[in-house]
Amino acid sequence: EAGVAQSPRYKIIEKRQSVAFWCNPISGHATLYWYQQILGQGPKLLIQFQNNGVVDDSQLPKDRFSAERLKGVDSTLKIQPAKLEDSAVYLCASSLEGSGIEQYFGPGTRLTVT
Amino acid sequence: AQKVTQAQTEISVVEKEDVTLDCVYETRDTTYYLFWYKQPPSGELVFLIRRNSFDEQNEISGRYSWNFQKSTSSFNFTITASQVVDSAVYFCALRVSYNTDKLIFGTGTRLQVFP
Repeated sequence: EAGVAQSPRYKIIEKRQSVAFWCNPISGHATLYWYQQILGQGPKLLIQFQNNGVVDDSQLPKDRFSAERLKGVDSTLKIQPAKLEDSAVYLCASSLEGSGIEQYFGPGTRLTVT
Repeated sequence: AQKVTQAQTEISVVEKEDVTLDCVYETRDTTYYLFWYKQPPSGELVFLIRRNSFDEQNEISGRYSWNFQKSTSSFNFTITASQVVDSAVYFCALRVSYNTDKLIFGTGTRLQVFP
């Protein structure tokens, strides 16, 4: 079974530029998550999708971050414009529906904003 | 408020030593789940274990064991006879509600196992 796929793996941009990340979850997983992991910290949930609907985006900085999950499968996370403090690893995870189910994580995209 | 504390920032051991990683959580919910994830240098978080709040039985899986104590709000993780491949950052996480699957992570413990 293929795992969660993410691209690109690394991205370097200048502040005020835009960037987009892509995630393909495990086949059949209805729930998709985007986490931000700043160096030295644990991951923090940015947004959770159930199929193509948003369940939780309370910690998403909506003035600059946006995410979509068209057709309930792949998802993209966009930052526009980027700030220095957005430098982090962006992790995508997916899970089957149901409570307490473990989340399976992708390899992440390491973003450096200069 | 919900919170996970991993007070040990970094632990170094020599191969074959036993090591325990501490995790203390805070929540007012009576129903919750606790998780441990491993993050090797490749960066991918690997699921290790899930435990729900109604099951305080300790669990052993090979060299790994987990001690869940509600009385002290702790969910500690022990690696017996550590190996170099165990070197990674280990995260403890809490999930508190059926309405959201949000995981609240601790800051992680970096484990270095030297040969």
